Amino acid sequence: EAQVTQNPRYLITVTGKKLTVTCSQNMNHEYMSWYRQDPGLGLRQIYYSMNVEVTDKGDVPEGYKVSRKEKRNFPLILESPSPNQTSLYFCASSFGPMGDAFFGQGTRLTVV
Amino acid sequence: RKEVEQDPGPFNVPEGATVAFNCTYSNSASQSFFWYRQDCRKEPKLLMSVYSSGNEDGRFTAQLNRASQYISLLIRDSKLSDSATYLCVVIGRGSTLGRLYFGRGTQLTVWP
Repeated sequence: EAQVTQNPRYLITVTGKKLTVTCSQNMNHEYMSWYRQDPGLGLRQIYYSMNVEVTDKGDVPEGYKVSRKEKRNFPLILESPSPNQTSLYFCASSFGPMGDAFFGQGTRLTVV
Repeated sequence: RKEVEQDPGPFNVPEGATVAFNCTYSNSASQSFFWYRQDCRKEPKLLMSVYSSGNEDGRFTAQLNRASQYISLLIRDSKLSDSATYLCVVIGRGSTLGRLYFGRGTQLTVWP
């Protein structure tokens, strides 16, 4: 089954404790991206990747890091989480730059 | 100015009604457009692509007006199951090729 898998689905953590949210896709997609979704603000892109070792900032990259060492994986790293990073996070992938995107089920992160 | 603007609604309509959503985009060079559907706090899922000639999928019709830079979605004979948030998506061009720009979403509630 074609899918994008995020883990964990839910996470509560404390300020400053490094965390990683994993994202994996099994469709051999080139493009992958991370979004956060907040009430009233919609989906905002954090980072995206066009292929292995190629990444670029989205609209709200501050406080986040990503890496793309393999085509299927695109982890999101929060080196020092802060409460303003409490949000619902989605990973997405697509075959090409103009194609429709498949989304993971989301990670609900709470930073206290 | 945001890349994509949508009327957030909410739209509350009875079953069987016809409802239309509009979305405007700022980059006249944009080439690819989509409508996504998002159920409460779940991942967005592709509803339909939007082509220059317009396209129809059952009760749903999507149209693109390049001159005015807007996209529309028409839902006929609304069902209870159509209740969701509808997201307008525009694909970036040039230096932002492959980036997805989301509108904030239009909330639809269909009541019996």
